[in-house]
Amino acid sequence: DAGVIQSPRHEVTEMGQEVTLRCKPISGHDYLFWYRQTMMRGLELLIYFNNNVPIDDSGMPEDRFSAKMPNASFSTLKIQPSEPRDSAVYFCASNPDGSYEQYFGPGTRLTVT
Amino acid sequence: GNSVTQMEGPVTLSEEAFLTINCTYTATGYPSLFWYVQYPGEGLQLLLKATKADDKGSNKGFEATYRKETTSFHLEKGSVQVSDSAVYFCALASNAGKSTFGDGTTLTVKP
Repeated sequence: DAGVIQSPRHEVTEMGQEVTLRCKPISGHDYLFWYRQTMMRGLELLIYFNNNVPIDDSGMPEDRFSAKMPNASFSTLKIQPSEPRDSAVYFCASNPDGSYEQYFGPGTRLTVT
Repeated sequence: GNSVTQMEGPVTLSEEAFLTINCTYTATGYPSLFWYVQYPGEGLQLLLKATKADDKGSNKGFEATYRKETTSFHLEKGSVQVSDSAVYFCALASNAGKSTFGDGTTLTVKP
């Protein structure tokens, strides 16, 4: 299996622009998670889905952030408008139902100038 | 709620030294416990796990024992290598939906 796939790997954008991060979970995994990692705040869970349905979005920092999972093999995290404080590495992870261990993608490094 | 507290870093060791990274947790019920490792520029990957009290997880020379009486899951390795330099995260999960991660401990091993 190819593992969790994220794109792009690096994104540099200007403040105010829309940013879309993409994730393809491992086939057959029922759970999908979006995390943000920064030096200051560490690893933060933003939102997670089960069978394409958002279960807990309490970690989404504000209305500028939105996430969708239109089908079992694709999810997006959108930031609109982006701000410099959104600069971070964003990880997508997945796991199959009945298993507690998570499989992480390589991450997207976002820089907002 | 659930929480994980791990030893603050950074930790710097010489090659072949003994490693311990402490991890304690607070949780309701009987969670599964994990250690994840993150190498530079990569995502987290599972290092080892234990699913019930007194279980010992082990992988690549690392091991950790699930201690319910002390709510701990300390990571140990008898002889570290330069290639073990990474960030180590302790985590717990009590359902498939959500894991709770510690803040991470950065390990640097010098030749």
